[in-house]
Amino acid sequence: DAKTTQPNSMESNEEEPVHLPCNHSTISGTDYIHWYRQLPSQGPEYVIHGLTSNVNNRMASLAIAEDRKSSTLILHRATLRDAAVYYCILTLFGGSQGNLIFGKGTKLSVKP
Amino acid sequence: EPEVTQTPSHQVTQMGQEVILRCVPISNHLYFYWYRQILGQKVEFLVSFYNNEISEKSEIFDDQFSVERPDGSNFTLKIRSTKLEDSAMYFCASSGTSGGDRNEQFFGPGTRLTVL
Repeated sequence: DAKTTQPNSMESNEEEPVHLPCNHSTISGTDYIHWYRQLPSQGPEYVIHGLTSNVNNRMASLAIAEDRKSSTLILHRATLRDAAVYYCILTLFGGSQGNLIFGKGTKLSVKP
Repeated sequence: EPEVTQTPSHQVTQMGQEVILRCVPISNHLYFYWYRQILGQKVEFLVSFYNNEISEKSEIFDDQFSVERPDGSNFTLKIRSTKLEDSAMYFCASSGTSGGDRNEQFFGPGTRLTVL
């Protein structure tokens, strides 16, 4: 599986936007970009995924660089509940037919 | 909203004993997974299951581990002879429907296994 690189930690203020970066310079043409998060003492939770185009859903937006070697998860207005570890994961064929390889992720702290 | 459930929430066992961790995936899903997370470490893939057989497994999933879908609703992980290093949180996940978006894995709340 292609490797991703994320900062170990980030801080944000409540109600401000958060941009979580991910580098994946060895991504292949058939790799999807997934983002999951893990709130304290809970199981991982799907956030968003994309292939080439930017994506929006009710939780977040995903901005994918034109060369696909990096992406950014955007939380438009951080809340205290968004404090979690965020994982950027590359998967083949969309991920549902195979495993997710979790890295260490980015621990997001949200200050009131 | 449908969810993955797991029982028990916490299992304590003696080293060498067999344990069975149970999961009820989302009812119309077709793909099932087990992951584990040792305290303070990364989430690690163990095994994926589709069409009543293992489709992928990691190096962690050795012959001490087995999975089964004994009926139409449950998905179990058995550890035959537990070791101290099996102590971890075990997460079950499911994904995929016959016609919908299969990119999202839904995780259960986990079973904390403590081996003494």
